[in-house]
Amino acid sequence: GQSLEQPSEVTAVEGAIVQINCTYQTSGFYGLSWYQQHDGGAPTFLSYNALDGLEETGRFSSFLSRSDSYGYLLLQELQMKDSASYFCAVKTRSTLTFGKGTMLLVSP
Amino acid sequence: DSGVTQTPKHLITATGQRVTLRCSPRSGDLSVYWYQQSLDQGLQFLIQYYNGEERAKGNILERFSAQQFPDLHSELNLSPLELGDSALYFCASSVGTSGEETQYFGPGTRLLVL
Repeated sequence: GQSLEQPSEVTAVEGAIVQINCTYQTSGFYGLSWYQQHDGGAPTFLSYNALDGLEETGRFSSFLSRSDSYGYLLLQELQMKDSASYFCAVKTRSTLTFGKGTMLLVSP
Repeated sequence: DSGVTQTPKHLITATGQRVTLRCSPRSGDLSVYWYQQSLDQGLQFLIQYYNGEERAKGNILERFSAQQFPDLHSELNLSPLELGDSALYFCASSVGTSGEETQYFGPGTRLLVL
C-alpha cells in the first residue's frame, strides 16, 4: 500500500515564505502531485513532479527527490487567500493516494 | 469552475436508506474517479472508471457500487447507509488513464446520514 506523511498544520504571516513537506512510501511510483482545498470546496490541482527537481509556477514551487521519497510545496509572498488545506498525493499507475492534508493559516 | 458537475449538492437521509450521487465529467474526459472525504480519514480514493469500464478500485465498501454510462456520466450508489457514511463525496475526471494527467474535481456532494 501507500502511506504519506505531511504536517497537520502550518502558520505563517502575509508576505512570508512557507514550505510544506511530504514524505511517502509506495510501490509503482509515478509522481507527486499537490492540491489545494479551501474550506468546503473542491480540491484544485497545483503541481505535479515526475522527475527530481524543482518546478515553479508563479508564487508556488514544488520539489521532488525520488531517492529520498520526499517532496515539498513552497509558497512565496503569502497572501490571506492562500489559507487553505494542501494535500500531497502519490500517483501510481492507476490511483492517486492523498495525504491527510496540511492546513495553512496565513495571518495579517 | 472545473467543468465537473455533481448533483445533488447536499443530501440528508437516514440509516438503512439508499442514495445515488451523480457526476458529469469535463467535456472530453473519459476517466471518472470517486473520492470520499471525512474529517478523520482525509480524501480516500474509492473507484475509477474509464470509458465505461471499471479501471481501479480503492477503499470502496461492498455496500457501495458505481457505474459509468455510455454518455460518460457516472453514478455512485450507497446502500444501506450507515452513520459513518456521512462525508463529502467528490467526483473527479481526467482525459485518460495513464496516471499522469491532472484530475479535475467537482464541487462535491455533502451527505449527512442521521
